[in-house]
Amino acid sequence: DAGITQSPRHKVTETGTPVTLRCHQTENHRYMYWYRQDPGHGLRLIHYSYGVKDTDKGEVSDGYSVSRSKTEDFLLTLESATSSQTSVYFCAISPRGARTGGSNGGYTFGSGTRLTVV
Amino acid sequence: DQQVKQNSPSLSVQEGRISILNCDYTNSMFDYFLWYKKYPAEGPTFLISISSIKDKNEDGRFTVFLNKSAKHLSLHIVPSQPGDSAVYFCAASAGNQAGTALIFGKGTTLSVSS
Repeated sequence: DAGITQSPRHKVTETGTPVTLRCHQTENHRYMYWYRQDPGHGLRLIHYSYGVKDTDKGEVSDGYSVSRSKTEDFLLTLESATSSQTSVYFCAISPRGARTGGSNGGYTFGSGTRLTVV
Repeated sequence: DQQVKQNSPSLSVQEGRISILNCDYTNSMFDYFLWYKKYPAEGPTFLISISSIKDKNEDGRFTVFLNKSAKHLSLHIVPSQPGDSAVYFCAASAGNQAGTALIFGKGTTLSVSS
């Protein structure tokens, strides 16, 4: 989707190294989210943001930090990558949070970042 | 402790028949429910939603039914098409408050054969 891009699309990194994933939006949406998708676990919320410099933890936030210094960018950082953080990471945006409703539903998701920690 | 449960990891259906995907939830505060579809190597895309004030919402071939007393919702696809083969996620939210995020189930992989 042109309104939200994630970078990189694929990354292989070594255990113990820091990694930063980027989510960039052009929709000027207030809310941004990071989820991870793993087999047998579905989509689990890592962190989310409800405005510039306003962030909060999700269900699986340990080992992750986030920053949002401007509306369009939401960064996810793995301070010291571990093999358990091998996953597909999805960013999502929303203009009014989880209850946006309408034809666009709650969120618009990016295409994902496949991260492998070796 | 899963709040949104999709107990069937997979479902196989023939083209033209009905597909029924099920979802159960435990949090009685959930009052808005959505279904997302996901193809490989793509992000999930919104399919259909329903508010707790309704028990049915229809959009073309897709209908979502909500049974609040049973804390159960289902997605019906009629008729099913091969292009419907994807992973379907059920999601829910509680209240319209800042910071309320969608909670997702584990997903059901639907395979529609021609």
